[in-house]
Amino acid sequence: DSGVTQTPKHLITATGQRVTLRCSPRSGDLSVYWYQQSLDQGLQFLIHYYNGEERAKGNILERFSAQQFPDLHSELNLSSLELGDSALYFCASSVSRRPYNEQFFGPGTRLTVL
Amino acid sequence: AQSVTQLGSHVSVSEGALVLLRCNYSSSVPPYLFWYVQYPNQGLQLLLKYTSAATLVKGINGFEAEFKKSETSFHLTKPSAHMSDAAEYFCAVGGNAGNMLTFGGGTRLMVKP
Repeated sequence: DSGVTQTPKHLITATGQRVTLRCSPRSGDLSVYWYQQSLDQGLQFLIHYYNGEERAKGNILERFSAQQFPDLHSELNLSSLELGDSALYFCASSVSRRPYNEQFFGPGTRLTVL
Repeated sequence: AQSVTQLGSHVSVSEGALVLLRCNYSSSVPPYLFWYVQYPNQGLQLLLKYTSAATLVKGINGFEAEFKKSETSFHLTKPSAHMSDAAEYFCAVGGNAGNMLTFGGGTRLMVKP
């Protein structure tokens, strides 16, 4: 158990819908990262928040957005969903924003868009 | 920009045999390198990391990796495979301005009895 929690574990929805994925980092960790894992794209970085502020964006679609709240939990919002958005979404946390700090991964949310 | 190449999407070894999973990286800045393992239906677990201290890094479960700058490699090894090592292994590089990890495509390790 990494100490990072993600809800829900599974999400099945229809095209065009909007969903929210939630992540609680390990106690004391200020950084939250979101990654997408799919069969065709592999593991890809989406976005990084540190202590409530967005720090970096990766291959995140405009239909996707995220935020980190004062209690440090984070939410990833996916809207106008398409079949190709079906993937495993991971949240990871680390104690700081230093690149040598390991990132601890949650169990993921499996999103299926029908 | 940073990138990682893992040679071999599938590797099969016999129980007790040497495990060698290959990782080559490209980075314009001094890299931080990580190996993660993913068991079915689980998240990623850190095996070991290189952060410019010792070039030979020991991790959990008997795994180790050696950083070779001249070869831009960070291969993962284990002297003797166990059935429980069957999983997918990911090499990742960090250290860029965004602090994100860039992952390789992964190598699925199969261990035969």
